Amino acid sequence: QSALTQPASVSGSPGQSITISCTGTNSDIGFYNFVSWYQCHPGKAPKLIIYDVSSRPSGISNRFSGSKSGNTASLTISGLHPDDEAHYYCCSYTMSSTAVFGGGTQLTVL
Amino acid sequence: QVQLEESGPGLVKASQTLSLSCTVSGGSIDTTAYFWNWIRQRPGRGLEWIGNILYSGETLYNPSLKSLPTMSIDTSKNQFSLMLNSVTAADTAVYYCARSDYGVSFDSWGQGLLVIVSS
Repeated sequence: QSALTQPASVSGSPGQSITISCTGTNSDIGFYNFVSWYQCHPGKAPKLIIYDVSSRPSGISNRFSGSKSGNTASLTISGLHPDDEAHYYCCSYTMSSTAVFGGGTQLTVL
Repeated sequence: QVQLEESGPGLVKASQTLSLSCTVSGGSIDTTAYFWNWIRQRPGRGLEWIGNILYSGETLYNPSLKSLPTMSIDTSKNQFSLMLNSVTAADTAVYYCARSDYGVSFDSWGQGLLVIVSS
Protein backbone atom coordinates (compact mmCIF):
# COMPACT_ATOMS: atom_id res chain seq x y z
CA GLN A 1 0.00 0.00 0.00
CA SER A 2 1.34 3.44 -0.86
CA ALA A 3 1.29 6.41 1.49
CA LEU A 4 -1.40 8.99 0.90
CA THR A 5 -0.18 12.20 -0.78
CA GLN A 6 -0.13 15.44 1.18
CA PRO A 7 1.62 18.74 0.42
CA ALA A 8 4.87 19.01 2.32
CA SER A 9 4.02 22.41 3.72
CA VAL A 10 1.33 25.07 3.90
CA SER A 11 1.32 28.44 5.60
CA GLY A 12 -1.09 31.12 6.65
CA SER A 13 -1.39 34.21 8.81
CA PRO A 14 -3.27 34.36 12.12
CA GLY A 15 -6.99 34.58 11.51
CA GLN A 16 -6.79 33.18 7.99
CA SER A 17 -8.03 29.78 6.79
CA ILE A 18 -5.95 27.04 5.20
CA THR A 19 -6.79 23.72 3.61
CA ILE A 20 -4.60 20.62 3.52
CA SER A 21 -5.34 18.01 0.88
CA CYS A 22 -4.81 14.26 1.16
CA THR A 23 -5.00 12.19 -2.02
CA GLY A 24 -5.39 8.44 -2.12
CA THR A 25 -6.97 5.87 -4.41
CA ASN A 26 -10.17 3.96 -5.02
CA SER A 27 -8.83 1.35 -2.60
CA ASP A 28 -8.62 3.63 0.41
CA ILE A 29 -10.01 7.18 0.58
CA GLY A 30 -12.35 6.59 -2.32
CA PHE A 31 -13.68 3.33 -0.95
CA TYR A 32 -14.67 4.18 2.61
CA ASN A 33 -15.70 7.18 4.65
CA PHE A 34 -13.02 6.33 7.19
CA VAL A 35 -10.53 9.18 7.01
CA SER A 36 -8.96 10.73 10.08
CA TRP A 37 -6.61 13.64 10.72
CA TYR A 38 -3.94 14.08 13.39
CA GLN A 39 -2.14 17.11 14.78
CA CYS A 40 1.47 16.49 15.84
CA HIS A 41 3.50 18.89 17.92
CA PRO A 42 7.21 18.09 18.43
CA GLY A 43 7.81 15.71 21.28
CA LYS A 44 4.13 14.99 21.81
CA ALA A 45 1.88 12.13 20.80
CA PRO A 46 -0.34 12.72 17.77
CA LYS A 47 -3.79 14.08 18.55
CA LEU A 48 -6.95 13.00 16.75
CA ILE A 49 -8.75 16.08 15.42
CA ILE A 50 -11.07 14.63 12.74
CA TYR A 51 -12.46 11.12 12.26
CA ASP A 52 -14.86 9.49 9.80
CA VAL A 53 -14.04 12.25 7.26
CA SER A 54 -15.77 15.12 9.04
CA SER A 55 -16.52 14.28 12.68
CA ARG A 56 -14.76 16.05 15.55
CA PRO A 57 -13.89 14.34 18.83
CA SER A 58 -15.14 15.94 22.00
CA GLY A 59 -13.02 18.95 22.92
CA ILE A 60 -11.75 19.70 19.42
CA SER A 61 -12.44 23.23 18.21
CA ASN A 62 -14.98 23.72 15.43
CA ARG A 63 -12.25 25.69 13.64
CA PHE A 64 -11.15 22.26 12.39
CA SER A 65 -13.29 20.68 9.68
CA GLY A 66 -12.92 17.78 7.27
CA SER A 67 -14.40 16.79 3.94
CA LYS A 68 -13.94 14.35 1.09
CA SER A 69 -14.50 14.30 -2.65
CA GLY A 70 -13.67 11.18 -4.60
CA ASN A 71 -10.17 10.02 -3.70
CA THR A 72 -9.19 13.26 -1.98
CA ALA A 73 -9.84 14.27 1.62
CA SER A 74 -9.29 17.75 2.97
CA LEU A 75 -8.69 19.36 6.35
CA THR A 76 -9.61 23.02 6.76
CA ILE A 77 -8.47 25.11 9.69
CA SER A 78 -10.21 28.45 10.02
CA GLY A 79 -9.19 31.42 12.16
CA LEU A 80 -5.57 30.27 12.40
CA HIS A 81 -3.94 30.51 15.83
CA PRO A 82 -0.18 30.47 16.42
CA ASP A 83 -0.51 27.19 18.34
CA ASP A 84 -2.02 25.54 15.26
CA GLU A 85 1.55 25.42 13.93
CA ALA A 86 2.29 21.68 13.79
CA HIS A 87 2.54 18.70 11.46
CA TYR A 88 -0.78 17.32 10.22
CA TYR A 89 -1.30 13.75 9.02
CA CYS A 90 -4.25 12.16 7.27
CA CYS A 91 -5.04 8.48 7.59
CA SER A 92 -7.40 6.21 5.69
CA TYR A 93 -8.85 2.76 6.12
CA THR A 94 -8.13 0.51 3.15
CA MET A 95 -9.89 -2.29 1.31
CA SER A 96 -7.50 -4.70 2.99
CA SER A 97 -8.72 -3.53 6.43
CA THR A 98 -5.34 -1.89 7.07
CA ALA A 99 -4.52 1.75 7.75
CA VAL A 100 -2.38 4.03 5.63
CA PHE A 101 -1.08 7.47 6.58
CA GLY A 102 -0.16 10.46 4.48
CA GLY A 103 3.38 11.80 4.40
CA GLY A 104 2.46 14.73 6.62
CA THR A 105 2.11 18.49 6.11
CA GLN A 106 3.98 21.13 8.09
CA LEU A 107 1.69 24.06 8.86
CA THR A 108 3.48 27.34 9.50
CA VAL A 109 1.56 30.23 11.03
CA LEU A 110 3.33 33.34 9.81
CA GLN B 1 -10.03 7.97 30.57
CA VAL B 2 -7.88 5.26 29.01
CA GLN B 3 -4.12 5.71 29.06
CA LEU B 4 -1.45 3.79 27.16
CA GLU B 5 2.24 3.54 27.99
CA GLU B 6 5.00 1.96 25.93
CA SER B 7 7.92 0.20 27.55
CA GLY B 8 11.02 -1.56 26.32
CA PRO B 9 14.69 -1.02 25.51
CA GLY B 10 15.70 2.25 23.92
CA LEU B 11 18.68 0.65 22.22
CA VAL B 12 18.74 -2.56 20.20
CA LYS B 13 21.62 -4.02 18.23
CA ALA B 14 21.19 -4.64 14.54
CA SER B 15 20.07 -8.17 13.60
CA GLN B 16 18.54 -8.66 17.05
CA THR B 17 14.87 -8.62 18.09
CA LEU B 18 13.04 -5.47 19.13
CA SER B 19 10.43 -6.18 21.82
CA LEU B 20 8.04 -3.54 23.10
CA SER B 21 5.02 -3.64 25.38
CA CYS B 22 2.07 -1.33 25.83
CA THR B 23 0.26 -1.23 29.15
CA VAL B 24 -3.32 0.02 29.10
CA SER B 25 -4.89 1.62 32.17
CA GLY B 26 -8.28 3.17 32.78
CA GLY B 27 -10.07 0.60 30.62
CA SER B 28 -10.01 -3.07 29.74
CA ILE B 29 -8.15 -4.36 26.73
CA ASP B 30 -10.50 -7.35 26.70
CA THR B 31 -13.20 -5.77 24.58
CA THR B 32 -14.68 -6.16 21.12
CA ALA B 33 -14.97 -2.39 20.80
CA TYR B 34 -11.36 -1.55 20.03
CA PHE B 35 -8.28 -2.52 18.09
CA TRP B 36 -4.83 -2.14 19.67
CA ASN B 37 -2.24 -0.71 17.32
CA TRP B 38 1.46 -0.05 16.88
CA ILE B 39 2.51 2.98 14.85
CA ARG B 40 6.01 4.33 14.33
CA GLN B 41 7.68 7.49 13.10
CA ARG B 42 11.17 7.16 11.67
CA PRO B 43 13.46 10.21 11.87
CA GLY B 44 12.41 12.87 9.39
CA ARG B 45 9.52 10.78 8.10
CA GLY B 46 5.80 10.47 8.58
CA LEU B 47 3.67 8.14 10.64
CA GLU B 48 3.64 4.49 9.61
CA TRP B 49 1.02 2.00 10.75
CA ILE B 50 2.65 -1.28 11.76
CA GLY B 51 -0.39 -3.36 12.61
CA ASN B 52 -3.09 -4.11 15.14
CA ILE B 53 -4.38 -6.84 17.40
CA LEU B 54 -7.80 -7.63 18.81
CA TYR B 55 -8.60 -8.94 22.29
CA SER B 56 -8.92 -12.39 20.72
CA GLY B 57 -5.35 -12.33 19.45
CA GLU B 58 -6.36 -11.81 15.83
CA THR B 59 -3.77 -9.66 14.08
CA LEU B 60 -3.42 -7.60 10.94
CA TYR B 61 -0.11 -6.21 9.73
CA ASN B 62 1.03 -3.59 7.25
CA PRO B 63 1.83 -5.52 4.05
CA SER B 64 4.38 -2.86 3.04
CA LEU B 65 6.74 -3.63 5.91
CA LYS B 66 9.98 -5.30 4.88
CA SER B 67 9.96 -7.67 7.83
CA LEU B 68 6.74 -9.02 9.27
CA PRO B 69 6.12 -8.00 12.87
CA THR B 70 4.61 -10.22 15.55
CA MET B 71 2.00 -8.90 17.93
CA SER B 72 0.55 -10.57 21.00
CA ILE B 73 -1.92 -9.67 23.71
CA ASP B 74 -2.15 -10.54 27.40
CA THR B 75 -5.59 -9.64 28.68
CA SER B 76 -4.68 -10.68 32.24
CA LYS B 77 -2.03 -7.96 32.33
CA ASN B 78 -3.97 -5.52 30.14
CA GLN B 79 -0.97 -5.40 27.83
CA PHE B 80 -0.16 -5.96 24.20
CA SER B 81 3.24 -6.36 22.61
CA LEU B 82 5.24 -5.93 19.43
CA MET B 83 8.23 -7.91 18.21
CA LEU B 84 10.35 -7.07 15.18
CA ASN B 85 12.99 -9.63 14.24
CA SER B 86 16.35 -8.97 12.62
CA VAL B 87 16.13 -5.21 12.97
CA THR B 88 18.23 -2.81 10.94
CA ALA B 89 19.01 0.90 11.23
CA ALA B 90 15.85 1.53 9.21
CA ASP B 91 13.83 0.37 12.23
CA THR B 92 15.12 3.28 14.32
CA ALA B 93 11.99 5.23 15.19
CA VAL B 94 9.65 6.53 17.84
CA TYR B 95 7.19 3.70 18.46
CA TYR B 96 3.66 4.49 19.59
CA CYS B 97 0.91 2.24 20.79
CA ALA B 98 -2.61 3.49 20.11
CA ARG B 99 -6.24 2.48 20.41
CA SER B 100 -8.63 2.60 17.48
CA ASP B 101 -12.22 1.71 16.77
CA TYR B 102 -13.65 0.02 13.65
CA GLY B 103 -12.05 2.52 11.27
CA VAL B 104 -8.89 4.52 11.66
CA SER B 105 -9.81 6.70 14.63
CA PHE B 106 -6.69 6.42 16.75
CA ASP B 107 -8.19 8.24 19.72
CA SER B 108 -5.74 7.37 22.48
CA TRP B 109 -1.96 7.19 22.15
CA GLY B 110 1.00 6.40 24.33
CA GLN B 111 3.65 9.09 24.73
CA GLY B 112 5.98 7.28 22.34
CA LEU B 113 9.24 5.41 22.88
CA LEU B 114 12.40 6.15 20.92
CA VAL B 115 14.17 2.98 19.85
CA ILE B 116 17.60 3.27 18.27
CA VAL B 117 19.07 0.35 16.35
CA SER B 118 22.84 0.38 16.61
CA SER B 119 25.27 -1.39 14.30
